[in-house]
Amino acid sequence: EAGVTQSPTHLIKTRGQQATLRCSPISGHTSVYWYQQALGLGLQFLLWYDEGEERNRGNFPPRFSGRQFPNYSSELNVNALELEDSALYLCASSSPGTGARETQYFGPGTRLLVL
Amino acid sequence: GQNIDQPTEMTATEGAIVQINCTYQTSGFNGLFWYQQHAGEAPTFLSYNVLDGLEEKGRFSSFLSRSKGYSYLLLKELQMKDSASYLCAVRVLTGANNLFFGTGTRLTVIP
Repeated sequence: EAGVTQSPTHLIKTRGQQATLRCSPISGHTSVYWYQQALGLGLQFLLWYDEGEERNRGNFPPRFSGRQFPNYSSELNVNALELEDSALYLCASSSPGTGARETQYFGPGTRLLVL
Repeated sequence: GQNIDQPTEMTATEGAIVQINCTYQTSGFNGLFWYQQHAGEAPTFLSYNVLDGLEEKGRFSSFLSRSKGYSYLLLKELQMKDSASYLCAVRVLTGANNLFFGTGTRLTVIP
């Protein structure tokens, strides 16, 4: 069974540009989560999508947005990039309906560098 | 808000046992997860606790005390490949479903 996949692996942008990151969940998973892992910090929750809808967002400015497509893949968009947006962006998927043991499985991440 | 604390770094010897602690203060606890993350790689799921007690999975065990807001991950018969960061994460009962992570404990296994 294929795991969560993300693209691109690495992305270099300059300040003020926009970045688009992509995620494909595990087959059968309908929920997708996005997290930011900045150097020296823990994973910070960004966004949760389920069945095409945004269910929750973390404490990030509106320039962080995304969407989920009918095939459950997801896109994270970061507008007006700032230097501090440089981080590893991790996508995770899960299968709702598994109750309290619902587990998130992570992709390899996209490393974004803003110059 | 949510507060999750773990030691930043630990060192242990190959073949030994190491215990990585995690304390948390959250509103509405709904489960605690441990993940392993090798440098430059994705976090991989290790264990899950929602009830008090010990969950054992091969060389890895995880313990939870909800009344104390405390968990630990126990790694036995340490191997060099166990050198990684270990992330403690808590899910809360807000319906938000996302996980709140500690900053992780970087474990170095030495020969």
